[in-house]
This record gives sequence, structure tokens and C-alpha cells, in this order.
Amino acid sequence: NAGVTQTPKFQVLKTGQSMTLQCAQDMNHNSMYWYRQDPGMGLRLIYYSASEGTTDKGEVPNGYNVSRLNKREFSLRLESAAPSQTSVYFCASRTPPGTGGSYEQYFGPGTRLTVT
Amino acid sequence: KQEVTQIPAALSVPEGENLVLNCSFTDSAIYNLQWFRQDPGKGLTSLLLIQSSQREQTSGRLNASLDKSSGRSTLYIAASQPGDSATYLCAVRDAGGTSYGKLTFGQGTILTVHP
Repeated sequence: NAGVTQTPKFQVLKTGQSMTLQCAQDMNHNSMYWYRQDPGMGLRLIYYSASEGTTDKGEVPNGYNVSRLNKREFSLRLESAAPSQTSVYFCASRTPPGTGGSYEQYFGPGTRLTVT
Repeated sequence: KQEVTQIPAALSVPEGENLVLNCSFTDSAIYNLQWFRQDPGKGLTSLLLIQSSQREQTSGRLNASLDKSSGRSTLYIAASQPGDSATYLCAVRDAGGTSYGKLTFGQGTILTVHP
């Protein structure tokens, strides 16, 4: 049981390049999230997916797109990277409510992205 | 809009001390509150989750309390050890049907426990 996994761990892009950050969870969770973490700003929600086939914007969605490929996988795409997108990106998934579940979020190890 | 504040921003203590980290939130209509630990360059590890109906949760040397009406939570660490050195983050999930489990995070408290 690996929990939440993310690839790559590190990435350097030039301005204008595109890339996709991958995330997968093996806990059979419906809800998945993408956050970014910046010094002095804390963690902010970029996009989330309440279930397979649905996605919605969070606080800071501009410049990003997402795909919920299936129940396990939720990817984040930067179409034209900008220096302002230099950040650490975390994917998370959430337990369901009800018996044994408590809306607890579990996080992946993060992707450290630098855009030059 | 929910805002979460953590005090102090940084804390340095000698090994063996008991310590308290504070978290406050502006909107008391929360579903739950979660404390995380983050080691440098690493992801977030969930430490404790308190439901809005609960007053406290305990795990080993950690005890988290919640006073929803006053918008406060504390994380108590007993007999601190150098291995406890990390950033501790508090996050709340708002009650309400449209939030889809979104967490609002505080800025974190950087804890250093020196031998």
C-alpha cells in the first residue's frame, strides 16, 4: 500500500514549456486534490476532483488544467509554464465520510518545480 | 472566507520540554481540523484529526484539543525530542456542501528541539 505517489520529484522548466505532473493513490478514495506550497503563502488549493469524471477549480487555478483519468489517477498540467509557477506541488486524496472514514486527507511527497 | 493563523511562527526548545502549538481560525463552522507534520523537503504527514464534535484527540506524546466556539486548537507535545523537529501545520475543513473537502491551511510553526 503506497498511499499517494507523485512523479516527478523534481523538475526544471524554461518559461513557455509544458509538462504534466502525475498523481496516483491506491486507497480507493473518491476525492483528490492538487495544492501548491509557497513560502509565506502556505498551501493553496489549485483544483480538486470529487469523483471520477468531475473536476473543479480551487483558489488558484489560473495557468493549470487537470484530468481525472480514472479513480486512481489525477494529473495536473502546465500548458505554458511561467516563473510564478515555481513552487512545490502536492497531490492529496481524502477518505470518505461515515464509519471508518472521517474526511482525512493524505498527501503525496510533492513535486518541486522550478521555472526559469 | 476562512483564515487560519498559527502562533508562534517558530519555536526552539531544549529536549525534554513539554510544548504547545497554537492554531486559530476565523469561521467556527468547521467539519474537522487536522494537524500535519512536514519535514524539510518532504510531504505532509497527518498527525491527528479532530471532528467538530470532539474536544481532543491523542496519539502517543501528541494531544490536540479543539474549542470550536472560540476558533482555537492546540497541539501539545510531551517530552519533546530532537526527532520532533519539523514544521507543524494546522488545517481546517469548512462545513458546508460546496467546499468538497477543501482544507484551509495555516502558515505553520517551525519547531526545533535541540539536544
